[in-house]
Amino acid sequence: RKEVEQDPGPFNVPEGATVAFNCTYSNSASQSFFWYRQDCRKEPKLLMSVYSSGNEDGRFTAQLNRASQYISLLIRDSKLSDSATYLCVVTGSGGSNYKLTFGKGTLLTVNP
Amino acid sequence: GAGVSQSPRYKVAKRGQDVALRCDPISGHVSLFWYQQALGQGPEFLTYFQNEAQLDKSGLPSDRFFAERPEGSVSTLKIQRTQQEDSAVYLCASRATGSTGELFFGEGSRLTVL
Repeated sequence: RKEVEQDPGPFNVPEGATVAFNCTYSNSASQSFFWYRQDCRKEPKLLMSVYSSGNEDGRFTAQLNRASQYISLLIRDSKLSDSATYLCVVTGSGGSNYKLTFGKGTLLTVNP
Repeated sequence: GAGVSQSPRYKVAKRGQDVALRCDPISGHVSLFWYQQALGQGPEFLTYFQNEAQLDKSGLPSDRFFAERPEGSVSTLKIQRTQQEDSAVYLCASRATGSTGELFFGEGSRLTVL
């Protein structure tokens, strides 16, 4: 089993739609969780951290369920500019908490 | 510049050639990472430096891959006797001291081995 698994996608949605991405991770001792965004042929950039209590940043909501080892990202009112690959990211545990492990990514295309 | 700088941006090598990829991290960032990203995949961890010390090289795929950061700032990833399967984007990232999350990536070096 891969350390971080994501919805394979791709997702094609119309502007204004709500879209949700899911991710599972294998290391129950992982300490921190993130969503990164990667535009085509560009570098990954941090979108948001994910906390157990859930957190929101404008149209974006991230959730973490430690018991199920499951992370989600919800995007409301999709914009054309949201088109990108969304990467689920998990840190290691203990002495390896410096290492970020990335999922394969889910490609989102928002259509006019 | 203020961001992570990588060079060359594009490199075409013939199979068997050696290549060297350079990374100039954000000034003051003690942590430096190299990742490999194949087409359609997420970034895969290669190696980690804290200052000049290489603390983790568990992701280097073979002994043909070597990384160094001799003065704790600029880093070089060297690939000897390149193979076609080495074709990928090599991403360098740095992180501020005390931060546990955000990695700042460079634009990457796209290596194509013919």
